Amino acid sequence: GQQVMQIPQYQHVQEGEDFTTYCNSSTTLSNIQWYKQRPGGHPVFLIQLVKSGEVKKQKRLTFQFGEAKKNSSLHITATQTTDVGTYFCAGPPSSGTYKYIFGTGTRLKVLA
Amino acid sequence: EAGVAQSPRYKIIEKRQSVAFWCNPISGHATLYWYQQILGQGPKLLIQFQNNGVVDDSQLPKDRFSAERLKGVDSTLKIQPAKLEDSAVYLCASSLDASWWGDFGGYTFGSGTRLTVV
Repeated sequence: GQQVMQIPQYQHVQEGEDFTTYCNSSTTLSNIQWYKQRPGGHPVFLIQLVKSGEVKKQKRLTFQFGEAKKNSSLHITATQTTDVGTYFCAGPPSSGTYKYIFGTGTRLKVLA
Repeated sequence: EAGVAQSPRYKIIEKRQSVAFWCNPISGHATLYWYQQILGQGPKLLIQFQNNGVVDDSQLPKDRFSAERLKGVDSTLKIQPAKLEDSAVYLCASSLDASWWGDFGGYTFGSGTRLTVV
């Protein structure tokens, strides 16, 4: 079945440093979503990318969908302590199902 | 707008007991999902409803888990009997009609029910 892996699993950065998490699917995705889950909280929707090669920005966050629609990345510029949490990607395969499979997640810790 | 409501917030039961979780989605959201999130892992889809019909329940352990969505609004998820490995957070989410691949605004998750089976 479809698998969605994220690397790294954990990342500790100093406040002000940049951070990137990568999402890789075993199958082509029809689209990809990104969520943020704060410690003890629930996932919160950040963004959805639909087109091959699409790039979207939200303030310090930059999201990219790969040309082959099998991978994606989230880059945070100049991290802040409010960026702490686990970032998940999620996407359905392009083979006809609308079931979103969540990735393994990247846990970000920002040191002040 | 009101968010996705879930109850109870926490539940502790002994193995072999039964438990039920309740979810009220955002008004107007056609699609409702139940996810299981084990500590340190990503959410795993258990069941997906479109209005009051089941779209996908391929990962629902049907020998012990059941779910229903009456009148296409509220939903309940039941576990009977519970096992130790069922300890997890059970998340309910809803979205606009997800039966297409355009930008539908993503899922809105509830706060979840943290289940501990002892």
